[in-house]
Amino acid sequence: EADIYQTPRYLVIGTGKKITLECSQTMGHDKMYWYQQDPGMELHLIHYSYGVNSTEKGDLSSESTVSRIRTEHFPLTLESARPSHTSQYLCASSEMGHYGYTFGSGTRLTVV
Amino acid sequence: GQNIDQPTEMTATEGAIVQINCTYQTSGFNGLFWYQQHAGEAPTFLSYNVLDGLEEKGRFSSFLSRSKGYSYLLLKELQMKDSASYLCAVMDSNYQLIWGAGTKLIIKP
Repeated sequence: EADIYQTPRYLVIGTGKKITLECSQTMGHDKMYWYQQDPGMELHLIHYSYGVNSTEKGDLSSESTVSRIRTEHFPLTLESARPSHTSQYLCASSEMGHYGYTFGSGTRLTVV
Repeated sequence: GQNIDQPTEMTATEGAIVQINCTYQTSGFNGLFWYQQHAGEAPTFLSYNVLDGLEEKGRFSSFLSRSKGYSYLLLKELQMKDSASYLCAVMDSNYQLIWGAGTKLIIKP
């Protein structure tokens, strides 16, 4: 079944740790996105990609990095986690053109 | 700049009808989307409008007026499970979604 997967679903880590949030989709979508969303707040675009070897920063200043080596995989890495990174991280993908986004279930990150 | 406005919060009664408005100013227009997001979950697609008029899908309908930069989402026969945030998003000239802050809908018995 075509879908978009995020792991882990929940993560609690200590300050200063390096972490990678995984996102994979089986729909063959070219465009992928990472959003950060605090509870009850709006979505903030932090990174996006229009295809393999293409990555761009979004509107929200972020200390994270992304890579797009394969179409289906778009991991997000935090080199040194801080309590301010505590949030929900949502991955999404879409086809080229006027189609909406499909979201993964999200990773809820807590940095202590 | 690009801007999407929708009310922060609305309250309605179970079984009633509610209309959630959205106004937008964006660089280019390639369609307007409505998403539903329950607390702690990811947004899920509800509707898509690219031409003026009303699109009906079961209890949910969405309306678009491109000349006015205006859309609304109409929810009929409200159920408790409709308590959620409703996000309005416009696809701009780069086919990227510009998101509103969302409207939190509270349903009371």
